[in-house]
Formats: sequence, C-alpha cells, structure tokens
Amino acid sequence: AQTVTQSQPEMSVQEAETVTLSCTYDTSENNYYLFWYKQPPSRQMILVIRQEAYKQQNATENRFSVNFQKAAKSFSLKISDSQLGDTAMYFCAFMKQRDNYGQNFVFGPGTRLSVLP
Amino acid sequence: NAGVTQTPKFRILKIGQSMTLQCAQDMNHNYMYWYRQDPGMGLKLIYYSVGAGITDKGEVPNGYNVSRSTTEDFPLRLELAAPSQTSVYFCASSTYPQGIREQYFGPGTRLTVT
Repeated sequence: AQTVTQSQPEMSVQEAETVTLSCTYDTSENNYYLFWYKQPPSRQMILVIRQEAYKQQNATENRFSVNFQKAAKSFSLKISDSQLGDTAMYFCAFMKQRDNYGQNFVFGPGTRLSVLP
Repeated sequence: NAGVTQTPKFRILKIGQSMTLQCAQDMNHNYMYWYRQDPGMGLKLIYYSVGAGITDKGEVPNGYNVSRSTTEDFPLRLELAAPSQTSVYFCASSTYPQGIREQYFGPGTRLTVT
C-alpha cells in the first residue's frame, strides 16, 4: 500500500521569504501522479500544483514549484515570495496512474504553514 | 458557475440519528467524490461516482450510502450516526478520473455526533 509522509506538522515563514515543505512517499509503482493541495481557514481544498511521475522536469505554477526526486521518492513544495494569503494547511497527495477511479488517492497528514507579517 | 456546493455547513446529530449531506455541482462533471477529514489528518475517500447511476466504495464506506440519480447531485446518507463519524465532509468533482485532472472541492460540512 502507498503511504505519504509529511514530516513537518507546522512551519512558519516571514512574508516575502521562501519556504520549502517536505513530502516523501512509498510506492512500488513506476507511473503515478503527485499533488500539493492547499486548505486555507475556509477549509476549501485548492489544487496548488501537479506532477506526473514520468516527467523529469519539475512542475512550476507562478510562485510555487516542486523538487521531484523520483529515486528518493521525494516531492517537496517551494513557495517563493510568501504572501499572507499562503497561510493554510498544505497536503501532499499520491495517486497511481493505473487507478482511474480514485480508489487509491492517498493524502499525507498535512503541514500547517503560517506566513508572518 | 457556483462550482461545488454543499449543505449544510454545520450539523450536530445525536447517536442513532440519520441525515443526508447534500452536494451539487454545475460544471457538468461526470466524476464526483465524497471524502472525510478527521482532525489533523488528510482526506479519506468514502464513495465516488463515475456518472449518473454508477457509484462505488472508496477506502472508508462503512456507515454511509450514496446515490447518483443526476449528473449534478451526489448526496451522502448517514444511517445510525455514531461518534466515529464526527468529521468534516468534503464533496468534490472532476471532468476526468481522479488525479488525472484536478478536482474541485466544495466548502465542506462539519458534522458532530454526540
């Protein structure tokens, strides 16, 4: 069974600085997807970034980028120029490519990020 | 578009009571999902649907039932509520199978069973 670990329960960063959130996962699969979701105090779940395992290039979305290390099974999220609105819980998630119907979409326990003014 | 809507936002149930959590989406998405999020934990899939009339169990289906009579609606039924069902419930939808494209989440329903 796949597992997703986020070793940092809480982190804080000063506004405008850069922060990196860690995520590791365990799988024997070769093809899969990885995601970072953001959950602000409103509790809405928002997709931040997505990475296909077959792509070697790291995904980027504006101020958000990932460092995907497939051999190490690591998928960290870097937030540049942190903004107050980035304050939220961040969830790392894994899904097998072959599993099209969501039976094995695994979430990590989350990292609570606070951006300080 | 309103996106994914959920009602109610909050509910307190007594042990043994039943209720239905409503979920609707106006994006014509075929795929819909119900998750629960326990305190300090990530989301776990309860049930999902790949289209009207088709539903299947996720990781934690016990104590719940679903139906999908229309593309828009995907209600979750709790029968004989138990304290272990105290959680925040999220409904989500997508145009593709989960994970291949992003899912759109509703705002959640906070349920307390006492």
